[in-house]
Amino acid sequence: DTGVSQDPRHKITKRGQNVTFRCDPISEHNRLYWYRQTLGQGPEFLTYFQNEAQLEKSRLLSDRFSAERPKGSFSTLEIQRTEQGDSAMYLCASSTRSGEPGLAGGLRSLPDTQYFGPGTRLTVL
Amino acid sequence: AQTVTQSQPEMSVQEAETVTLSCTYDTSESDYYLFWYKQPPSRQMILVIRQEAYKQQNATENRFSVNFQKAAKSFSLKISDSQLGDAAMYFCAYSSPSGAGSYQLTFGKGTKLSVIP
Repeated sequence: DTGVSQDPRHKITKRGQNVTFRCDPISEHNRLYWYRQTLGQGPEFLTYFQNEAQLEKSRLLSDRFSAERPKGSFSTLEIQRTEQGDSAMYLCASSTRSGEPGLAGGLRSLPDTQYFGPGTRLTVL
Repeated sequence: AQTVTQSQPEMSVQEAETVTLSCTYDTSESDYYLFWYKQPPSRQMILVIRQEAYKQQNATENRFSVNFQKAAKSFSLKISDSQLGDAAMYFCAYSSPSGAGSYQLTFGKGTKLSVIP
């Protein structure tokens, strides 16, 4: 499977603990995005990377949230000192840049189009 | 700021019939994309169809087609010959390569589609 993958799929933690999620994008995609989705709502944008550069992080929910993409491949999202309100699905997506259609072709590789992973469901007790 | 509105929280359709899901959006950008994503109960978000704003021709993808009305800022999804596997939450989404929040997707609240056998 060459789609976006996320690990873990589920995470249960106690309030105050730190958690880290990993996202592996589609291999030829240079852009990577993080979203949060709460029950009954559409995903909410958090941050995005172009290669290893984090180009937008003002939408991260607080300074407890941080993301990295050190080598321009996989990314991690860390939440420090988790709170019950952090319980949600965390989604990762990736895309290619305009003018760079993906090698796979078809609907899977349209430029400027985000393809999502299965998400990590976080439960904070 | 860009906004996306889906006014139908829930819809239902008989199997093999046609259903249309509504979406309106607001933007001051001239260059943008519109998308419909499907999220089945398993929760993975799947791209259904994409429309570039500069294209007048409505996008189609097998049984899925859109009615893109740029002046009215309307972007509806038509599902023909509905199948049981079409049951899911459908999200309308917007992105633009320019302006504040370049490339980030802005989603509507979704429409839950049920397919009746």
